[in-house]
Amino acid sequence: DAKTTQPPSMDCAEGRAANLPCNHSTISGNEYVYWYRQIHSQGPQYIIHGLKNNETNEMASLIITEDRKSSTLILPHATLRDTAVYYCIVRVAGTQGGSEKLVFGKGTKLTVNP
Amino acid sequence: GAVVSQHPSWVICKSGTSVKIECRSLDFQATTMFWYRQFPKQSLMLMATSNEGSKATYEQGVEKDKFLINHASLTLSTLTVTSAHPEDSSFYICSAKWRQGVSLHYGYTFGSGTRLTVV
Repeated sequence: DAKTTQPPSMDCAEGRAANLPCNHSTISGNEYVYWYRQIHSQGPQYIIHGLKNNETNEMASLIITEDRKSSTLILPHATLRDTAVYYCIVRVAGTQGGSEKLVFGKGTKLTVNP
Repeated sequence: GAVVSQHPSWVICKSGTSVKIECRSLDFQATTMFWYRQFPKQSLMLMATSNEGSKATYEQGVEKDKFLINHASLTLSTLTVTSAHPEDSSFYICSAKWRQGVSLHYGYTFGSGTRLTVV
């Protein structure tokens, strides 16, 4: 089961910052938080990931609380093309000693309005 | 870098036939790949972890005899849906795990997905 909870939907005005929250209260000390987004009928696109420090790249910023129980993805200047489902994922250990894996939750449907 | 190619992008097949979906890592070697399934308006559900040179690890509730996974090389994993039925119609997505440089950090790149329709 996914270890994250997100609001099912959010709206944002074009040009404004979009702040997408995520709760992961059961996260373990060595588990990373990943963010992906999925535009309709496409494969998920990587956005950013982090462990405990805040991270920034050309797409977004990731703010992780000190206790690591929640995080926020920030799209600084949202555009219409940012309309998508955004998934916050905690990478979990594999079963039977296998590889760590990404287990998706339900995500947040972000709609950027003109 | 870290490009994953998935084919076909869509396929229609008759009930009872088998369908093979390919997932290739184009510019890196992927010892581990993953297969997901997504029904309309739902999230991605992990089906199995594909390991190069060994048997796949299936998630609970996924029939390994129905969804055959082969990962014979470091750049190719295939998913075969055997004896497909209309309820197998779904969006199938693969993902490949890759190491970021010499660090211990890993990235996960997804294919563009395959829309399977069983009639």
